[in-house]
Amino acid sequence: EDQVTQSPEALRLQEGESSSLNCSYTVSGLRGLFWYRQDPGKGPEFLFTLYSAGEEKEKERLKATLTKKESFLHITAPKPEDSATYLCAVQALRAAGNKLTFGGGTRVLVKP
Amino acid sequence: EPEVTQTPSHQVTQMGQEVILRCVPISNHLYFYWYRQILGQKVEFLVSFYNNEISEKSEIFDDQFSVERPDGSNFTLKIRSTKLEDSAMYFCASGETNYGYTFGSGTRLTVV
Repeated sequence: EDQVTQSPEALRLQEGESSSLNCSYTVSGLRGLFWYRQDPGKGPEFLFTLYSAGEEKEKERLKATLTKKESFLHITAPKPEDSATYLCAVQALRAAGNKLTFGGGTRVLVKP
Repeated sequence: EPEVTQTPSHQVTQMGQEVILRCVPISNHLYFYWYRQILGQKVEFLVSFYNNEISEKSEIFDDQFSVERPDGSNFTLKIRSTKLEDSAMYFCASGETNYGYTFGSGTRLTVV
């Protein structure tokens, strides 16, 4: 069974204080690893898809990396508007119905 | 930017009543999904739908649940006889290909 574990559960940062979020996964052949941002009471908002170990993607202050067992989301010089829950999800190569398996998320609070 | 639209944003219903949650996926998308998130828990897969039929469903998606694409634009989730434990955020999602989704903002279902 596919499993995704995210750490830490919560992260409090000062504005400008860079940090990294971890997503550990086990999957029977990875089709893709997805990062989403979720604001309170809203749906997940797509950030990145990573497909193979060594791949990196960047968007503004966010950078996602992938190894064979985990992914990191690096937040560089965060601003208060980066406060959100960040979700990691995996899709297996043979995912029936293209199902995504989500982790529990990391709640990030960036204080000014 | 195209988006997935869900209505209503919040629905309160009495236990045992039927509810229909509505979604308008992105117009050129072919793959449709429902997920749910119980407060404080992970986002969970319910069902995927392609080519006018269910392609996969989870253990949660029992006989009380059904999905329908009644016309070319709407995608609905029906819960026949709601239980207290059905209270959750329900997210519709759609995808142009068989990986990568766009999620809607969700419907908060409260069963009393």
